[in-house]
Amino acid sequence: GAGVSQTPSNKVTEKGKYVELRCDPISGHTALYWYRQSLGQGPEFLIYFQGTGAADDSGLPNDRFFAVRPEGSVSTLKIQRTERGDSAVYLCASSLGQMNTEAFFGQGTRLTVV
Amino acid sequence: DAKTTQPPSMDCAEGRAANLPCNHSTISGNEYVYWYRQIHSQGPQYIIHGLKNNETNEMASLIITEDRKSSTLILPHATLRDTAVYYCIVRVTLYGGKLTFGQGTILTVHP
Repeated sequence: GAGVSQTPSNKVTEKGKYVELRCDPISGHTALYWYRQSLGQGPEFLIYFQGTGAADDSGLPNDRFFAVRPEGSVSTLKIQRTERGDSAVYLCASSLGQMNTEAFFGQGTRLTVV
Repeated sequence: DAKTTQPPSMDCAEGRAANLPCNHSTISGNEYVYWYRQIHSQGPQYIIHGLKNNETNEMASLIITEDRKSSTLILPHATLRDTAVYYCIVRVTLYGGKLTFGQGTILTVHP
């Protein structure tokens, strides 16, 4: 596909469980971003990868959140011991990583913690 | 990144121009103005960006004041499909780097 793909589109999990959210960026895009969006709010930055390394993880709220991008393409956002407050839409975006290139966003994964 | 201020909501009639204002009075010389929009249940979509000159593309025009403290996004002929939340973002030009989204402006285009 031509766009950023996120799976699953919806995830319901029980409080305390572990979840993984996947992002397939656009082929050739070296930069990858994770955001989360609560209802009625703008997207909130979590982490940014340039290639395989996390260039900026300042938005990760605590050590329950972790993200990897081992081969510089697909990324997985991992959330341990989920809490009800983690419920949100998790958005992934990718870009060429060159100066001022636009970020392309996926449709997001809606995570609901019950 | 400099803070931006946008009106929470605006209305526009279909076929008319939609002019969305953004205040960024603390912008610094190396910061660009970006606009993204988010249609309901979709991820944000890039519209346009600029530094100090006015910019135009197939989607919109961006007018930046001479002192760069404010800007206006213009959708020249709004359609119902332009109903969305519009985000004005200021950031330092980087090879990549995060976007800091505010609350945005909810634009509703009426028939």
